[in-house]
Amino acid sequence: DAGVIQSPRHEVTEMGQEVTLRCKPISGHNSLFWYRQTMMRGLELLIYFNNNVPIDDSGMPEDRFSAKMPNASFSTLKIQPSEPRDSAVYFCASSFVAADTQYFGPGTRLTVL
Amino acid sequence: ELKVEQNPLFLSMQEGKNYTIYCNYSTTSDRLYWYRQDPGKSLESLFVLLSNGAVKQEGRLMASLDTKARLSTLHITAAVHDLSATYFCAVDGSNYQLIWGAGTKLIIKP
Repeated sequence: DAGVIQSPRHEVTEMGQEVTLRCKPISGHNSLFWYRQTMMRGLELLIYFNNNVPIDDSGMPEDRFSAKMPNASFSTLKIQPSEPRDSAVYFCASSFVAADTQYFGPGTRLTVL
Repeated sequence: ELKVEQNPLFLSMQEGKNYTIYCNYSTTSDRLYWYRQDPGKSLESLFVLLSNGAVKQEGRLMASLDTKARLSTLHITAAVHDLSATYFCAVDGSNYQLIWGAGTKLIIKP
């Protein structure tokens, strides 16, 4: 099994630009989670999907952030426009069912200049 | 609101020593997870504890769960440098989300 796949692994962009992060969950997993990790705030859950449906997006910081899951094998997290305070490592994780061990992708390190 | 507290948040120890990391949570939860994160890397699942009195061991790491005390421990036996990492505990919250502790950064000196 390839595990959770994320792309890109690193992204450097300028303030105001649109950023799209991508995630492919483990095949057969029904739940997908987007997290953000920073030194100051630790690990934060942004949004989670169950069977491709967003269940809880209360962690999405503001309207500049949006996430979609058009099918069971693909999800995107978009930031538009990006700001320097969005700089962080963004992780995608998936699990077989919602209440189960989550398997994390390698993360995308985002730097907004 | 479910809260998860880990202590210590930072631990520096010598190789060969034993130590314990504690994870307290504020309300009833069905299961507890331990994860490891190496610097600059992703999070890796170590253990999931499902019931009161559950104990799991992998190499020099042993995790236990006391649901009545709302406490889990991660015990390190005869620490080696390769165990240097940040260790997170997490519990099931509402809506099947995981509620995470802040992490314990463990440094093991040769």
